[in-house]
Amino acid sequence: KQEVTQIPAALSVPEGENLVLNCSFTDSAIYNLQWFRQDPGKGLTSLLLIQSSQREQTSGRLNASLDKSSGRSTLYIAASQPGDSATYLCAVSDSGNTPLVFGKGTRLSVIA
Amino acid sequence: DAGVIQSPRHEVTEMGQEVTLRCKPISGHDYLFWYRQTMMRGLELLIYFNNNVPIDDSGMPEDRFSAKMPNASFSTLKIQPSEPRDSAVYFCASSRTTGDLMNTEAFFGQGTRLTVV
Repeated sequence: KQEVTQIPAALSVPEGENLVLNCSFTDSAIYNLQWFRQDPGKGLTSLLLIQSSQREQTSGRLNASLDKSSGRSTLYIAASQPGDSATYLCAVSDSGNTPLVFGKGTRLSVIA
Repeated sequence: DAGVIQSPRHEVTEMGQEVTLRCKPISGHDYLFWYRQTMMRGLELLIYFNNNVPIDDSGMPEDRFSAKMPNASFSTLKIQPSEPRDSAVYFCASSRTTGDLMNTEAFFGQGTRLTVV
């Protein structure tokens, strides 16, 4: 059974700092991995999707990497801003349209 | 497209009452998922459908929970009778089968926050 772990559970950084969020999964036979952002009381917003054949994806200040063989992904946020404060969730798909398996998230606070 | 639409956004009900949550997936999407989010357990799959047919309901916690998808544009999740431990945020998500399974992306609704008192 696939399990996804995110470390740390919470992170507080000063504005402007570059940071890395970590995600690990137990079964490397995945189709893709998605990073989501969740603001308090809100839904999930998809940030990046990395296909299993890819090693990284970039969107603006965000860069997600995938090391499928070791079961790890990282989300790199450059020059963090207070508006980046949210919970970041990692999720993997074992086979295309099969349901995503989620980690419990990392709650990020960027202090001005 | 308006995205995945869930209603209501908030529901407060008394223990023992029936609760019905509703979801409209993105037009053209053939997969629909129901998830539940709690502080303790995070996001967990309850059930999912493909072309309106339930594929896996092993995540449904008890017989008190039921879900239907009468057509491609509507699904319901019903709890009867509701209990305080059902209090959580319930999310609906949808996705579309494409020729590139690795690029399949799930889109989530805003969720329904359920409080059972």
